[in-house]
Amino acid sequence: DTEVTQTPKHLVMGMTNKKSLKCEQHMGHRAMYWYKQKAKKPPELMFVYSYEKLPINESVPSRFSPECPNSSLLNLHLHALQPEDSALYLCASSQNAEPEAFFGQGTRLTVV
Amino acid sequence: DQQVKQNSPSLSVQEGRISILNCDYTNSMFDYFLWYKKYPAEGPTFLISISSIKDKNEDGRFTVFLNKSAKHLSLHIVPSQPGDSAVYFCAASFFGNEKLTFGTGTRLTIIP
Repeated sequence: DTEVTQTPKHLVMGMTNKKSLKCEQHMGHRAMYWYKQKAKKPPELMFVYSYEKLPINESVPSRFSPECPNSSLLNLHLHALQPEDSALYLCASSQNAEPEAFFGQGTRLTVV
Repeated sequence: DQQVKQNSPSLSVQEGRISILNCDYTNSMFDYFLWYKKYPAEGPTFLISISSIKDKNEDGRFTVFLNKSAKHLSLHIVPSQPGDSAVYFCAASFFGNEKLTFGTGTRLTIIP
């Protein structure tokens, strides 16, 4: 069982909808991430939230808005998405400054 | 610009034999490398890693080799088992940096 939990597992949303993806980890990790994976492509980093560091945004459009309420929770708020934003969204966590990241099962997002 | 490449999109290996997955990188600043395994509709699972101060790391049936001069790493799985059938991603990082750059993936199929 993964110790990074993502909800929901599947999400279908219209281009005018607002929705949120949720991620929780119970490993005491101090860094959390959002990755996006399109079909037959590798995961690509979107955001990094590390304890006591400034968040990192990998040039992601503002229709994606991360929120980190505490060190074990990371949300991704979605608004006015496009069909090309349909993808598998993966949350991950790691110890600070450690490259080994542990991934959740992902949320399969479809924008219609 | 694909800094981490896996030139074989797919590989088929007989059960019990050795599976060798290859990965090349272009950025000589990378100093930490990881392998992940991914089943369909799941997040990547961390397998094994190696830092640039080593040329080999072993964990059970999995061994990773690093050739820094060639900017090449490989993952050996021996003996291969049907449960090893999955997509394998190599990833690279700078130690102390949370970002993982993933390769394009190799689909491994173990033939019973």
